[in-house]
Amino acid sequence: DAGVTQSPTHLIKTRGQQVTLRCSPKSGHDTVSWYQQALGQGPQFIFQYYEEEERQRGNFPDRFSGHQFPNYSSELNVNALLLGDSALYLCASSYGAGPQETQYFGPGTRLLVL
Amino acid sequence: AQSVAQPEDQVNVAEGNPLTVKCTYSVSGNPYLFWYVQYPNRGLQFLLKYITGDNLVKGSYGFEAEFNKSQTSFHLKKPSALVSDSALYFCAVSAPFSGGYNKLIFGAGTRLAVHP
Repeated sequence: DAGVTQSPTHLIKTRGQQVTLRCSPKSGHDTVSWYQQALGQGPQFIFQYYEEEERQRGNFPDRFSGHQFPNYSSELNVNALLLGDSALYLCASSYGAGPQETQYFGPGTRLLVL
Repeated sequence: AQSVAQPEDQVNVAEGNPLTVKCTYSVSGNPYLFWYVQYPNRGLQFLLKYITGDNLVKGSYGFEAEFNKSQTSFHLKKPSALVSDSALYFCAVSAPFSGGYNKLIFGAGTRLAVHP
């Protein structure tokens, strides 16, 4: 059973460019959450997708947007990249709500903005 | 607002000795608490979670965590540390939003170094 997968593993962009990161959830999971982990910090919640809609959003600007496809896979898009967007971007998948829900993470995409 | 604190940036322990990684939390209502581990250049791996019931939760790789409501703590423990346990450990609290769905709020992480 494949776990959460993410692509690409690494990415280098320059300021002002746009980037798209991809995530495939664990089998049987229907919810995808995205987190940003800056160097030396804990992950911070960006947003969560369920049934192809954004269900909740963290404190991130509108430059960060996402999408979920009918097969539950998801994309994170970041426009007008800033140096401060350099981070490890983690995707987590889950199923259910409340105490039944456990989020399982992928290996992440490391983004470097020059 | 929910928050998590991990008061130690790094914990050093000798192989074979017991280890403790500390976590305190601040939540409204009953907390769901989690521990994750991160190895270099890897994502987060789920270790264990507390929902309700027994204050001692057992997880993967011989780890356990003790929930203490009065001290608002959820410390990670292992009776005998291995060098391979060396990694970055994150405590997290589940912050529910409408519909009962959750986002995770993480601490800053504690680096565990187990020396031979």
